[in-house]
Amino acid sequence: EVQLVQSGAEVKKPGESLKISCKGSGYRFTNYWIGWVRQMPGRGLELLGIIYPGDSDTRYSPSFQGQVTISADKSISAAYLQWSSLKASDTAMYYCAKKVDTDLRFDYWGQGTLVTVSS
Amino acid sequence: EIVMTQSPATLSVSPGERATLSCRASQSVSSKLAWYQQKPGQAPRLLIYGASTRATGIPARFSGAGSGTDFTLTISSLQSEDFAVYYCQQYNNWPPDFGGGTKVEIK
Repeated sequence: EVQLVQSGAEVKKPGESLKISCKGSGYRFTNYWIGWVRQMPGRGLELLGIIYPGDSDTRYSPSFQGQVTISADKSISAAYLQWSSLKASDTAMYYCAKKVDTDLRFDYWGQGTLVTVSS
Repeated sequence: EIVMTQSPATLSVSPGERATLSCRASQSVSSKLAWYQQKPGQAPRLLIYGASTRATGIPARFSGAGSGTDFTLTISSLQSEDFAVYYCQQYNNWPPDFGGGTKVEIK
């Protein structure tokens, strides 16, 4: 069974750094791109970027280039999303999702990690 | 970027009735259009891809149609578990943008 399990909720202050994780199981993790999707409170879905765990090839959506860093550790089947300096506007639910092999759509999703940034 | 516009923002439907949701792309995305369902407190779930192909395990009451810039998702007879928010997503161009969503609520 394909599963993506994300790290737990985080409460941080503006200016702090953060790294959240997504661990895959039930499939060959290195062979499928993983995407990170943001959902701000009461809002829709936005793709931040994708990573290919096999070689860490990464693509960012233009709106998020330079705002976040996506990485992976294939030895433990994990993908990461990190911020060097959080802002209140980063408060959102963040989902990781497995991309199908042929297209830029997502067939399995993690349960989400709620990030709250508040002073 | 391609702008995906969904309408209406909210659709009030009685159980057993038909619901039709619309999604329009700012430029052609061919048939590279997916629909996702999101229930409160849950992650999105893939319903439809290729504009009209149901994903694994999706009931036949869900159907998709369209190509180019105009797409529809139809739920033929709404069940209680179908009340949720529905998002379209184009995957013809980078980045693969989502629409703003349509909330299907109980009338």
